This record gives sequence, C-alpha cells and structure tokens, in this order.
Amino acid sequence: ETGVTQSPTHLIKTRGQQVTLRCSSQSGHNTVSWYQQALGQGPQFIFQYYREEENGRGNFPPRFSGLQFPNYSSELNVNALELDDSALYLCASSSNYRGLETQYFGPGTRLLVL
Amino acid sequence: AQSVAQPEDQVNVAEGNPLTVKCTYSVSGNPYLFWYVQYPNRGLQFLLKYITGDNLVKGSYGFEAEFNKSQTSFHLKKPSALVSDSALYFCAVSTSYNTDKLIFGTGTRLQVFP
Repeated sequence: ETGVTQSPTHLIKTRGQQVTLRCSSQSGHNTVSWYQQALGQGPQFIFQYYREEENGRGNFPPRFSGLQFPNYSSELNVNALELDDSALYLCASSSNYRGLETQYFGPGTRLLVL
Repeated sequence: AQSVAQPEDQVNVAEGNPLTVKCTYSVSGNPYLFWYVQYPNRGLQFLLKYITGDNLVKGSYGFEAEFNKSQTSFHLKKPSALVSDSALYFCAVSTSYNTDKLIFGTGTRLQVFP
C-alpha cells in the first residue's frame, strides 16, 4: 500500500448536488494531484496542489475546485453535479511537483451521479 | 499536444510465457515515462519509471520496460507471466515542460491463462 488514503470509498449523489472528496497524502509528500477516471478510460488530470497553492489545472470546468491544507491533505469539491461526473476519482501524492517524481495513488472514491 | 497510445485493448498470454504490453508517446521535451497497474476496484500501483540513463528499466514484480527514443516507445515486458499478473496496465508520461500532470494511455487489459 502507498499510504495515500481517500474517503469516502463510494458515494451516490443526484444531479445538481455538491460533493467533497478527501485525500490524505503519503508522509513526507507536499504535492497532491487529482484525477478523474471514467469507466473504461485512463485517468484524466484535474489539478495539482503544491504547498497549498494550485500548481496546474487540466481541462475541467470551474465547478471542480480544490484545497490543500497545511498538513498537505487535500479536498476535491464538485458543484452542480452532472451525470457525466460519475467516475472513479483518484488522488496521488508526490514529494514535489517536478514531472520526474513518482506519483503514488490512493484507492479512489467511486462517485455515482443519478 | 502530448499523448500516450496503448494500441492493444487486451493482451492474452499463457502462464510462463513472456509478455509485452505496448506503449508509444508523443511529447515536447524530454519524456518521463511511467507504468502503473490497476487491479479491480483498486487505485493505481506504481511499477517502474524511466527518467534518464539506461534504456532498460527494472521495476516491481519482475517487470521491466525498454525506452526507445527513435521509436518513441516504452514497452512493458516480463520474461515469465503469472496468472496473478492479470490486471489493467497504464502507461503515462510527464515532461520537463509540463511538470504538473501525468498523461495516461487508455490502458491495456492483460489476461494470463493457466
């Protein structure tokens, strides 16, 4: 196991609702990245946080937002949920933001939007 | 635009035989290449990475991968497959220019038959 934990493991919401997903990074890691993995697809980069600041963002709308806390844990918030938001949400931690650093993934949160 | 291609949706191999899972990439700048494995209802587990140096990289569980710059490929290999290797394999790339994200392929399902 990587030491990266996510909660909850599963979640069911209805269209239009808001959701918060949580991630605890591996000890010693100051960078957290979030990915969305739709069924049958590879993970897609949502955004990355380094030392509590957003360090990069993928092609996701502003209703996807995040936070990183002083202990380097992180939250992913999604407002106005849509059916297409149903996916496995993965967080990954790394020792810094440089591309050569290995990202270690948590088990994911599976979100179903009805 | 940067991209990763995994041309085979599924690879079937008999236990004890060698296996290869193919990956090609297209990036600007120096590529950093990664292989991850995903078991059912689990997050991504890091196998190995290429940053620089020796083109043959050895990783976890007997897996290795060969970086070929001229063919822009990073194929995953194992000399002798195990049934327990059956899983979904993802190739990913980051670069020295886009340090914030991993770009993933669509995945290749490896099925090892007894």
